[in-house]
Amino acid sequence: QVQLVESGGGVVQPGGSLRLSCTASGFIFRTYSMHWVRQAPGKGLEWVGVISSDGSKKYYADSVKGQFVISRDNSRDTLYLQMNSLKPEDTAVYSCARDPAAGRVRWFDPWGHGTLVTVSS
Amino acid sequence: QTVVTQEPSFSVSPGGTVTLTCGLSSGSVSTNNYPSWYQQTPGQAPRTLIYTTNTRSSGVPDRFSGSILDNKAALTITGAQADDESHYYCALLLDSGISLFGGGTKLTVL
Repeated sequence: QVQLVESGGGVVQPGGSLRLSCTASGFIFRTYSMHWVRQAPGKGLEWVGVISSDGSKKYYADSVKGQFVISRDNSRDTLYLQMNSLKPEDTAVYSCARDPAAGRVRWFDPWGHGTLVTVSS
Repeated sequence: QTVVTQEPSFSVSPGGTVTLTCGLSSGSVSTNNYPSWYQQTPGQAPRTLIYTTNTRSSGVPDRFSGSILDNKAALTITGAQADDESHYYCALLLDSGISLFGGGTKLTVL
């Protein structure tokens, strides 16, 4: 079945960096755009960004633009999120989600269960 | 800065009907924003309910329906059940290519 598993979370000091991974299985990864979404403790969902199937197009939320970079390795069926200059407000569960749509249409399905990133000294 | 608005909370009686809405601070929501809806219970990954305004995701009961009402995206639950008690989030696609989630609605069934 379609599965997304995130890894790489942990505790990092303010100003530090972290790279998250999302390993996909059960579908042809290279044919789908992929998203990162985060959820701060007790808060709602926040879209982080998206990367196209071939990695040529990327869009980011204003809150992370210039700070986070999304990439992918289609040979490894893996999506990445490089997070730099981390701040306490970046503390959240980070989840990846597949975009089943083609063209401009967009939705998120399925979702991984996420990995927790805590930014604290 | 554009914000997606949802009712923070809503209550419905078992068997009742409730409509949750999803608005855009910058103007009207249309089908071109490709509204989608997600259900999330604590500790779980979100579950897709509705996409492209009114298409039910696989396995979603037909008591869930999506529409555009009064320039907002809407999720209607007809015949609410106890296990519909959950958080509901909408997502909209903006012309810039950015997606935005609403703040979520906590639905209570009592």
